[in-house]
Amino acid sequence: SQELEQSPQSLIVQEGKNLTINCTSSKTLYGLYWYKQKYGEGLIFLMMLQKGGEEKSHEKITAKLDEKKQQSSLHITASQPSHAGIYLCGADHGGSNYKLTFGKGTLLTVNP
Amino acid sequence: DTEVTQTPKHLVMGMTNKKSLKCEQHMGHRAMYWYKQKAKKPPELMFVYSYEKLSINESVPSRFSPECPNSSLLNLHLHALQPEDSALYLCASSQGLRGRRHGYTFGSGTRLTVV
Repeated sequence: SQELEQSPQSLIVQEGKNLTINCTSSKTLYGLYWYKQKYGEGLIFLMMLQKGGEEKSHEKITAKLDEKKQQSSLHITASQPSHAGIYLCGADHGGSNYKLTFGKGTLLTVNP
Repeated sequence: DTEVTQTPKHLVMGMTNKKSLKCEQHMGHRAMYWYKQKAKKPPELMFVYSYEKLSINESVPSRFSPECPNSSLLNLHLHALQPEDSALYLCASSQGLRGRRHGYTFGSGTRLTVV
């Protein structure tokens, strides 16, 4: 089974609508990272969460890490076409392996 | 400078060619990474360098050969690749190995096509 489940796989919203993307881990999260990617391009860092209950916001994007540190949500308020892209959550599961394990991504389309 | 710069942006190579991908950062980060991303898939870790030494090789075939000449540069040497190696190759860096201080910064990637 997937270590990091991301949902939904794709999302189409009307401009101005709010939306939420979820990321659920089968293991404790030592760090959870949210990135945005335009197809075929690099990853743009959005936010990093490390403490249970932590919540961070930047412009219209808010990310939370639940108390048990196994689930994170990314919420966009009043979406705009510029928010369109692929949103990826990346997990640090600790141990001696220093890699980020990524979810499969959420493709967001915002219709004007 | 808060960027990771990757060159070239696009590369087409034959199966008998030898080519190199380059990654550069001037943020003073001491850990650097190569990830491979196939179309419509998430990135997957290939190599990790810490303080210019190879820390992790995720069982990558020897036709991929990483090199870290100094703390700012990371290369990926390619030789005798297969068409299935065609992918977006992403370089990343972090202040420390866990990226827990300021996260991981990714470059824009090199789109590699093997013909």
